[in-house]
Amino acid sequence: NAGVTQTPKFRVLKTGQSMTLLCAQDMNHEYMYWYRQDPGMGLRLIHYSVGEGTTAKGEVPDGYNVSRLKKQNFLLGLESAAPSQTSVYFCASSPGLAGGQGHYNEQFFGPGTRLTVL
Amino acid sequence: QKEVEQDPGPLSVPEGAIVSLNCTYSNSAFQYFMWYRQYSRKGPELLMYTYSSGNKEDGRFTAQVDKSSKYISLFIRDSQPSDSATYLCAMSRTSGSRLTFGEGTQLTVNP
Repeated sequence: NAGVTQTPKFRVLKTGQSMTLLCAQDMNHEYMYWYRQDPGMGLRLIHYSVGEGTTAKGEVPDGYNVSRLKKQNFLLGLESAAPSQTSVYFCASSPGLAGGQGHYNEQFFGPGTRLTVL
Repeated sequence: QKEVEQDPGPLSVPEGAIVSLNCTYSNSAFQYFMWYRQYSRKGPELLMYTYSSGNKEDGRFTAQVDKSSKYISLFIRDSQPSDSATYLCAMSRTSGSRLTFGEGTQLTVNP
């Protein structure tokens, strides 16, 4: 199993350009997430999905869009990149709600995408 | 004010030392408490999790939760150079709800 993979690993954009980050998981997980990690801020949730065809806003959704057309894939789009979106982006997936109280829905993270917006 | 506070360090200790990492939080609704380890230029990986209050031990690692003080800790005994990483605390209200992360503490264990 490859686990959670992210494409691309690195990218440099100019202000105003658009791009899509791809996340894929082969663990048949229901939930998927996109985070950004910045110095002094920790990991912050951008958007998440609790199943194929569903998406929801996280803590910092502005400037991003997502789609979950297939269960194994979660795409993060930047329509018009800004320097404030320079960050390391992590995708994660988790099995979803299962078991009773005390069962933990562990999140598995990908290796990250380093994005620089000039 | 952040919901979860964590001293970013950096923390540098000699090999074999006992390491104590801590987080405080403000939301009393948090019930699940996690510690993630993140090596340089890698994604975080779950190290330990605890549901509600109490202690949990796994090898050289012990996680403690004190809900009355809104304080969680991770202890590493007999620290090794391979423990050098950033340690992130995280917490959530329910098993399926979103995680709130601390900033992370950068730890270096010197041989």
